[in-house]
Amino acid sequence: DAGVIQSPRHEVTEMGQEVTLRCKPISGHNSLFWYRQTMMRGLELLIYFNNNVPIDDSGMPEDRFSAKMPNASFSTLKIQPSEPRDSAVYFCASSWRTGGGNTIYFGEGSWLTVV
Amino acid sequence: ELKVEQNPLFLSMQEGKNYTIYCNYSTTSDRLYWYRQDPGKSLESLFVLLSNGAVKQEGRLMASLDTKARLSTLHITAAVHDLSATYFCAVDRMLYSGGGADGLTFGKGTHLIIQP
Repeated sequence: DAGVIQSPRHEVTEMGQEVTLRCKPISGHNSLFWYRQTMMRGLELLIYFNNNVPIDDSGMPEDRFSAKMPNASFSTLKIQPSEPRDSAVYFCASSWRTGGGNTIYFGEGSWLTVV
Repeated sequence: ELKVEQNPLFLSMQEGKNYTIYCNYSTTSDRLYWYRQDPGKSLESLFVLLSNGAVKQEGRLMASLDTKARLSTLHITAAVHDLSATYFCAVDRMLYSGGGADGLTFGKGTHLIIQP
């Protein structure tokens, strides 16, 4: 299996621009998670989906952030407008949700720098 | 709010030595995960612990879970340089009644350096 696939791997953008991060979960997985990692705050859960439905978005920092999962094979995390403090590594992860306790697999991450 | 605390946060040790990383968490959960992260890389799953008393071992690493004490440990036996990495523990909040993974709350990580 190809694993969780994220794009772009690296992005540098100017403050105020829109950023869209993309994720393809592992085929057959029905839970998808978006995390953000920074030195200061560590790994934070932003939002997660089950069967394409957002279950908990309480970790989304503010209205500038939005996430969608239009089908089982694709999710996006959008930041509009971007700010320098959004600079971080954004990880997408997926798992098979049956009774819990299944391994959650992480993608390689999208390294975002907002200047 | 679930809090997950790891200690130590930084650990430098010599090859061949044994050491333990501790992970305490603040609310009831019986799903505890350990991950490894190399610099600039993704998170690699090491162990998933699902019940009180669970113990899992892979090579020189052994993880255990005590849900009553809300404590998990990651023990390193006869450390080798290749084990140098950052190790994270993470706890499933288990808030969603529908079952399955609920999203993990991570500790700050233990940055482990093993010197030859």
